[in-house]
Amino acid sequence: DADVTQTPRNRITKTGKRIMLECSQTKGHDRMYWYRQDPGLGLRLIYYSFDVKDINKGEISDGYSVSRQAQAKFSLSLESAIPNQTALYFCATSDRDRGRPGEGYNEQFFGPGTRLTVL
Amino acid sequence: AQTVTQSQPEMSVQEAETVTLSCTYDTSESDYYLFWYKQPPSRQMILVIRQEAYKQQNATENRFSVNFQKAAKSFSLKISDSQLGDAAMYFCAYRSPYSGAGSYQLTFGKGTKLSVIP
Repeated sequence: DADVTQTPRNRITKTGKRIMLECSQTKGHDRMYWYRQDPGLGLRLIYYSFDVKDINKGEISDGYSVSRQAQAKFSLSLESAIPNQTALYFCATSDRDRGRPGEGYNEQFFGPGTRLTVL
Repeated sequence: AQTVTQSQPEMSVQEAETVTLSCTYDTSESDYYLFWYKQPPSRQMILVIRQEAYKQQNATENRFSVNFQKAAKSFSLKISDSQLGDAAMYFCAYRSPYSGAGSYQLTFGKGTKLSVIP
């Protein structure tokens, strides 16, 4: 079974609709992230969470909200979807850093992605 | 803010040959992490190789190796004995090691699409 899962894998919706993308992980990691991928732009961070009570905005948070329901679950919501939110969305997880800064690192493990189309 | 630049939007390589993908970055930090991720058509993001800035030795993972030039802020990926399965988008990414807002995020380049010619 996959360690990081995302639902749905594909979604088509209409402008103005509310939509939620869900992410679950079985890796036991504290940290979870939501990224957006657009063609030619790489991945950009939307929100990240260090634990259930700690949620932070990323580079492009406008138009999005998140909920960390449990250590293993992190949901991304589009309150009123618009066409320029059409993109590939990735959830990722990582363990907390250990050791001094610069020593060791924590790989981010990505889910399979959700392709969202807003018409 | 850190930036990551991949100057080659597309590249191609003959099967069994060697190819090098370029990545440069801009940072004022002395300690950081660098990564190469592979994204095949399945769209899954797969970590290929990683490098800690304090390590002078270049990282190697089987057919994948990096040329890390800290002073030049360059982090290129070399793929030896290219295989058809290496065809994918490759992303270079930077991460700061320090705590604080934004420090754990990955900053990605825009990617290089690698084609492998049989």
